[in-house]
Amino acid sequence: DAKTTQPPSMDCAEGRAANLPCNHSTISGNEYVYWYRQIHSQGPQYIIHGLKNNETNEMASLIITEDRKSSTLILPHATLRDTAVYYCIVRPVKGTSGTYKYIFGTGTRLKVLA
Amino acid sequence: NAGVTQTPKFQVLKTGQSMTLQCAQDMNHEYMSWYRQDPGMGLRLIHYSVGAGITDQGEVPNGYNVSRSTTEDFPLRLLSAAPSQTSVYFCASRRGGANEKLFFGSGTQLSVL
Repeated sequence: DAKTTQPPSMDCAEGRAANLPCNHSTISGNEYVYWYRQIHSQGPQYIIHGLKNNETNEMASLIITEDRKSSTLILPHATLRDTAVYYCIVRPVKGTSGTYKYIFGTGTRLKVLA
Repeated sequence: NAGVTQTPKFQVLKTGQSMTLQCAQDMNHEYMSWYRQDPGMGLRLIHYSVGAGITDQGEVPNGYNVSRSTTEDFPLRLLSAAPSQTSVYFCASRRGGANEKLFFGSGTQLSVL
């Protein structure tokens, strides 16, 4: 089962790039890396996902290393509203019924400082 | 477009009471799941379902029951509430397939006294 490791917390100055790392050294070749964030006590929100290539959307960029054992979520110009907990998860873990389940870790608490 | 709808938003129970947390989605998603989040902690998977009639256990299934009789609904039942079940509960859904993202509801805050 692929698992992820993230630092528990990070700070970033407003307007600067926030780089959030994630280690997934046991990832399999067909497993995607997903990033979500949770602002305060709201439901988590999807940010971005990728398999091998780097990805970019209106919210963030995702850089995946060539060996796919780690990735970095980049918020190019962090704002105070980006203060949240960021979760990195890989493709679901296989359950007893043969189906897949998404397991979230504890994430990284990002604090954007004014 | 309602997305994932959870009811109620807040609930207070006494120890031993039973109740059902409701979750409905209008996106025709095959996969639905329930998570709990304790204060300052990450999300832990309780139960999930990949379609009507199919459910499976997550990381912390004890004390909770689920069933999936329709594609749209995935209720979570607490048969005998305990203070340890005080938490915020989130429901999530997604399409089937390997490349689909989860959509979350806004959560139910449950307190068991």
